[in-house]
Amino acid sequence: AQKVTQAQTEISVVEKEDVTLDCVYETRDTTYYLFWYKQPPSGELVFLIRRNSFDEQNEISGRYSWNFQKSTSSFNFTITASQVVDSAVYFCALTDYNQGGKLIFGQGTELSVKP
Amino acid sequence: EPEVTQTPSHQVTQMGQEVILRCVPISNHLYFYWYRQILGQKVEFLVSFYNNEISEKSEIFDDQFSVERPDGSNFTLKIRSTKLEDSAMYFCASSEALGTHQPQHFGDGTRLSIL
Repeated sequence: AQKVTQAQTEISVVEKEDVTLDCVYETRDTTYYLFWYKQPPSGELVFLIRRNSFDEQNEISGRYSWNFQKSTSSFNFTITASQVVDSAVYFCALTDYNQGGKLIFGQGTELSVKP
Repeated sequence: EPEVTQTPSHQVTQMGQEVILRCVPISNHLYFYWYRQILGQKVEFLVSFYNNEISEKSEIFDDQFSVERPDGSNFTLKIRSTKLEDSAMYFCASSEALGTHQPQHFGDGTRLSIL
């Protein structure tokens, strides 16, 4: 069965600190996709990144970077120089190639960035 | 940028009443989804819909739930006889292709409160 674990329930940092959100996944499939979504206090879900299981290259987008390691089944998300606007709940999600697009979400990590 | 729109943003309903949540997916998208998020918990898959029929549904999606695409643009979720435990945020999502290849774009959600 597929499963996503985000062990960090809440993280609190001070502005300009770097922070890493952990995501560990389980799947029997060899072809799968991993996602990160942001849920700000207003409640909507904002797509951040998609990664397929064949592409282990790390990705950087501005202050955001993602580290995908198949050997440890992890897809961690780092925010560099955090800002107050980064405060949100962040969800990691997984879908297998044969799942028809169903996203399996982790429990989410609530990030609080204080000024 | 095109977006998924959901109405209403907040629905308050008496227990036992029927409720219909509406969604307008992005116009060229072919795959549609409903998810649920009970307050403070993770996002859970309910159902996926393609080619005018359900592709997959979760255990949550019992006989009280139904989905429909009545007019080629709207995508609705009906709960026939609401229960207190149906209180949650309901998200509609759509994707251009199967979620493995294209990210799902989420609406802002409908907060359903059952009294």
